[in-house]
Amino acid sequence: QKEVEQDPGPLSVPEGAIVSLNCTYSNSAFQYFMWYRQYSRKGPELLMYTYSSGNKEDGRFTAQVDKSSKYISLFIRDSQPSDSATYLCARAGGTSYGKLTFGQGTILTVHP
Amino acid sequence: SAVISQKPSRDICQRGTSLTIQCQVDSQVTMMFWYRQQPGQSLTLIATANQGSEATYESGFVIDKFPISRPNLTFSTLTVSNMSPEDSSIYLCSVDDWWSQRNSNYGYTFGSGTRLTVV
Repeated sequence: QKEVEQDPGPLSVPEGAIVSLNCTYSNSAFQYFMWYRQYSRKGPELLMYTYSSGNKEDGRFTAQVDKSSKYISLFIRDSQPSDSATYLCARAGGTSYGKLTFGQGTILTVHP
Repeated sequence: SAVISQKPSRDICQRGTSLTIQCQVDSQVTMMFWYRQQPGQSLTLIATANQGSEATYESGFVIDKFPISRPNLTFSTLTVSNMSPEDSSIYLCSVDDWWSQRNSNYGYTFGSGTRLTVV
């Protein structure tokens, strides 16, 4: 079983839709969770990080962590074509908080 | 957040040769990380590079194939040695400025990557 599982999609939605991206993880010792966005031919860009269970909101983005079910989500409201990218969930933990384990990534396309 | 400059951005290499990738950071950081992203795949950690000590490699990666240098707190190199077509990937460096950026949501920064094609 992979440490972080993510539905690879691809996911295609119309502009303005609410997008839900999801990951599950297997090790309850994980403490920090992140969502990255990666545009084609670019490095990953940190969108959000969360530490505890609950929701964290930043503009159109909401990250949600449910530690009891080992489930993390990213919601994008009022999606835009510029949101079209690959979204990667990741966890940090262990001996170094900078050592990240990534999910497979979900390819999102928002069409006008 | 830290700004990372990675060179080269892309290269096409002959099998059997080696390529050294450079990663320069605009601030001092404790840890630097090298990742590989194979076509259509997610990122896999190759090794962790600390200044003044040997790099720590993840399972499946060895120093002879991926030697790493970390001469100071702002610079690191990754060499891909004796390349084969299976080494065709994007190689990314990342820095852990977590503790200095803890409250600003800019904890883990990536370079733009080196796209390597081995022919």
